[in-house]
Amino acid sequence: AQSVTQPDIHITVSEGASLELRCNYSYGATPYLFWYVQSPGQGLQLLLKYFSGDTLVQGIKGFEAEFKRSQSSFNLRKPSVHWSDAAEYFCAVEDRNTGTASKLTFGTGTRLQVTL
Amino acid sequence: KAGVTQTPRYLIKTRGQQVTLSCSPISGHRSVSWYQQTPGQGLQFLFEYFSETQRNKGNFPGRFSGRQFSNSRSEMNVSTLELGDSALYLCASSWGGSLRTDTQYFGPGTRLTVL
Repeated sequence: AQSVTQPDIHITVSEGASLELRCNYSYGATPYLFWYVQSPGQGLQLLLKYFSGDTLVQGIKGFEAEFKRSQSSFNLRKPSVHWSDAAEYFCAVEDRNTGTASKLTFGTGTRLQVTL
Repeated sequence: KAGVTQTPRYLIKTRGQQVTLSCSPISGHRSVSWYQQTPGQGLQFLFEYFSETQRNKGNFPGRFSGRQFSNSRSEMNVSTLELGDSALYLCASSWGGSLRTDTQYFGPGTRLTVL
């Protein structure tokens, strides 16, 4: 079965510093990968997704992620973090065994704290 | 256009009761998915509905059920509530349900507390 691991439960960075959130997946075929962000008291918002093609994916809010098949990773990056980026970030993989139905398997999340 | 709305936003029930949560998708969206979010288990897929048909179901007991109406609004029901059902229940909608071509939009969730 597919799975997603986010090894960092909590990360603290200073505003203006660069950010990298780690995500490792386990999936038999080419995975469809996603990053979502959840602000306190809010639902999830899609940051970016990868299905095929260029392994460097650009998303909203200045985020990007790079798919590395050899490392089974899909790390999220941002060159300069803003205080408003403080939130919880979830990596997810789509379970394609469901056919046309959409089903995501999520990682446990990484909580990002931004210090001023 | 209005986003995904979920009602109620907060709910307190006691063990053994049943509860119904409602989700109104974005206008034009036909796929509605439900997720449970807890501190211990994280985000877990419950089920997905498309055009009033359940297309996929997660690994939850039969106490968890759902349905979708002709206007794409969806409800989920939990019967015989247990303390472990306390969670944030998230609903997400998309046009066709394919995450490859569609964007899935999440609602703010319903926070259920079981006492």
